[in-house]
Amino acid sequence: NAGVTQTPKFQVLKTGQSMTLQCAQDMNHNSMYWYRQDPGMGLRLIYYSASEGTTDKGEVPNGYNVSRLNKREFSLRLESAAPSQTSVYFCASSVKKVVRGSRVTNEKLFFGSGTQLSVL
Amino acid sequence: AQSVTQPDIHITVSEGASLELRCNYSYGATPYLFWYVQSPGQGLQLLLKYFSGDTLVQGIKGFEAEFKRSQSSFNLRKPSVHWSDAAEYFCAVGAGGFQKLVFGTGTRLLVSP
Repeated sequence: NAGVTQTPKFQVLKTGQSMTLQCAQDMNHNSMYWYRQDPGMGLRLIYYSASEGTTDKGEVPNGYNVSRLNKREFSLRLESAAPSQTSVYFCASSVKKVVRGSRVTNEKLFFGSGTQLSVL
Repeated sequence: AQSVTQPDIHITVSEGASLELRCNYSYGATPYLFWYVQSPGQGLQLLLKYFSGDTLVQGIKGFEAEFKRSQSSFNLRKPSVHWSDAAEYFCAVGAGGFQKLVFGTGTRLLVSP
């Protein structure tokens, strides 16, 4: 069971360089997410995709773009990397659950093992 | 907008002792509440969740949490800590649509022999 696979695991960039973080899940989940984790700030949502063909901004989208290539893959692109984007990036996917009549929530997020990105 | 506060950055507990990690949330209606655990170099793993019903929820690895609406809290507990429980623990609240999961800043648990 691969689950959620992220590549690369480590990356060092110079300011202004671009790169794409790749994420794939094999659990047939509709929803996928990109989070960044910084010391003392927990996880913050960058972008998410509720279903194939849709993407939406999260809490901290500036400086990033995403592509939901198909149901399995959700990539995160840094067009011009900045030192403030040094962080650990996590991709996640989720199962939906209907609760309390008709409201829908995540039953569970499945996380990849993360990408450590340093921008010099 | 919802928010989560985990007031303890670090907690050290002796192996075999009991554990309680605090989590307070802010949200106008009944929230969906979660606890996740992160081992070093790994992604997060769900420990337990509360959606509705019984306010005491059981999770994996012997953890439990109690939802207290009057205190806006969802504290995580374990009666006897094992060395393998050393990790970082995140409380999260979901509201306003399932995409909007907000995480706390985490509590790092250290287990002493």
